[in-house]
Order: sequence, then C-alpha cells, then structure tokens
Amino acid sequence: NAGVTQTPKFRILKIGQSMTLQCTQDMNHNYMYWYRQDPGMGLKLIYYSVGAGITDKGEVPNGYNVSRSTTEDFPLRLELAAPSQTSVYFCASSSGQYNSPLHFGNGTRLTVT
Amino acid sequence: LAKTTQPISMDSYEGQEVNITCSHNNIATNDYITWYQQFPSQGPRFIIQGYKTKVTNEVASLFIPADRKSSTLSLPRVSLSDTAVYYCLVGDRYNFNKFYFGSGTKLNVKP
Repeated sequence: NAGVTQTPKFRILKIGQSMTLQCTQDMNHNYMYWYRQDPGMGLKLIYYSVGAGITDKGEVPNGYNVSRSTTEDFPLRLELAAPSQTSVYFCASSSGQYNSPLHFGNGTRLTVT
Repeated sequence: LAKTTQPISMDSYEGQEVNITCSHNNIATNDYITWYQQFPSQGPRFIIQGYKTKVTNEVASLFIPADRKSSTLSLPRVSLSDTAVYYCLVGDRYNFNKFYFGSGTKLNVKP
C-alpha cells in the first residue's frame, strides 16, 4: 500500500497564481485532512472531510478551498497565492473508527514569491 | 478542544530514557491522548495513544495519571535516530473530525 500520496513535492508560485495540491489515499479512509506547517511551528488544520461530498473548515481556512468527490482524493486549491501561504502542506487520513490514528503524506513544500 | 502545553525542547544522550510531559488541564471526559513523532521533511507518524493509566507498545510508553490533566511519553534508551519533534494531541474519541497539533517538543539526542 502507498498510504497517503501528495503531489507535487515542491512548487514555487508567483503572487496571484493559483494551484491545486493533490492528495490521494489507498486505505479506504473516510476522514481526510489538510494541515499547513510554517517553519519551526506545529501543524495547523486548514480543512477536513468526513466523507465524499462533505467538507468543513479547520483553524486556518482563509485563502483555500477543498473538494471531496471520491473517497480516495482530497485536493486543496489555492486561488490567489500570497506570500503568507508559503509553508509545507500535509495531507492526512483516518478511518474515523475508535482511536484510529492519522496517516500523513510526506508533504508539499510551497513557496510564494 | 483541550489545549496542550509541552516543553519547547529537550536534550538527551544516547542510551538514556527520555520523558516528555504534556499538560492538558481542561481535558474532557471523552478525550483521549495521542502522541506523534515528526522527522524533518516528513509528515508526523503515530507513536502511541491512551485514555488512562499506562499504555506500552514496542517503541514507547504513555503514562496518564488518574486526574488525566497531564501525560508523559517515555522513550526507553534513545538513539540518535530518535531526534525529532514530538507532538501531544488531545481529542474526543467519539468525534474524530478534528485533530489539533500544538507546537511540539524538539528532542535532540546527542552521542
């Protein structure tokens, strides 16, 4: 099993550009999450989803959008990139069952200049 | 959601036992405690979780006192490869929608 796969690994954007960070999982998990991690800081929750067609905001949703059309995929969209969105983005999934842990991808490092 | 407080950093030497304590004074009845480990340029990895008393697995032990207002992650005989950031999370075991990470503890293991 690949687990949680994120693409791309690295990306440089100019201010105002848009992009989609891809996340896919092959564990048939219902719950999926997007976090961002700024240098030297902990992870902050951006959006999460409890199943296909259902998404909700986390701590820092402004400037981002998500969709969940399938169980496997949970893309994160940046519409108008800003320097404040320079960060490492992690996608995670969970079965949602009792005490089930989060499974993380290896992240996408995004720089906005 | 219960707020967690951990030391920012800790130093240790190879072969020592390391104990990292997390404070969660407003933990709720349904909350359970989970610890994750993160290496540079990687996503966090699950280590251990528990609700009360003591839990042990092949890599760590988790000690939770009766009042559950704190928890201690114990790493036996650390090696250089245990140098990482360790995060304590407290979450509702009946509501898996959100997991919030604090700033974590940077453990530096020296030779």
